[in-house]
Amino acid sequence: NAGVTQTPKFQVLKTGQSMTLQCAQDMNHNSMYWYRQDPGMGLRLIYYSASEGTTDKGEVPNGYNVSRLNKREFSLRLESAAPSQTSVYFCASSEAGAQGEQYFGPGTRLTVT
Amino acid sequence: AQTVTQSQPEMSVQEAETVTLSCTYDTSENNYYLFWYKQPPSRQMILVIRQEAYKQQNATENRFSVNFQKAAKSFSLKISDSQLGDTAMYFCAFPASDSNYQLIWGAGTKLIIKP
Repeated sequence: NAGVTQTPKFQVLKTGQSMTLQCAQDMNHNSMYWYRQDPGMGLRLIYYSASEGTTDKGEVPNGYNVSRLNKREFSLRLESAAPSQTSVYFCASSEAGAQGEQYFGPGTRLTVT
Repeated sequence: AQTVTQSQPEMSVQEAETVTLSCTYDTSENNYYLFWYKQPPSRQMILVIRQEAYKQQNATENRFSVNFQKAAKSFSLKISDSQLGDTAMYFCAFPASDSNYQLIWGAGTKLIIKP
């Protein structure tokens, strides 16, 4: 099992450009999440999908959109990248929501210049 | 707002020593879970240990154990016989009371194990 995979691992964008981060899990989990991690801070939830067909805003959703393509895949889109979106992005999945273990992907380091 | 506080930004110990990382949190819930996650230099976040608040017994996973003080809202992680591979960022987290899906995360403690 690959667990949670993310692509790309690294990305550099210019201000105003758009991109989509891809995430897939092979554990048949219902719930999937997108986080960002900034220096000196814990993870912050951007969006989550409780189950296939649903998505909800997390703590810091502004500037992002998501799509739960199917049970396996959950993508994060930056429509017009800003320097403030420079961060490391993690995708995660879980079976039991916030009460259970979350399984994380390897992360995407995004730099917006 | 609910918060998680990890008061030690960085710690370092010699290999084989025991180290304790502190975590305090704020919640009005009575039944909840608490988590410690490890993030090594590879960046992959991994669950270390989970504690259920209604259980009196402290959780243990091999060399990792917790000291859970519910009344004090304290959830510290003890690593015994520390190894070089324990070098990582450690994050404490617990579920937000107004969401079944959101975790509240601490800022992390950077632990360095010296040979």
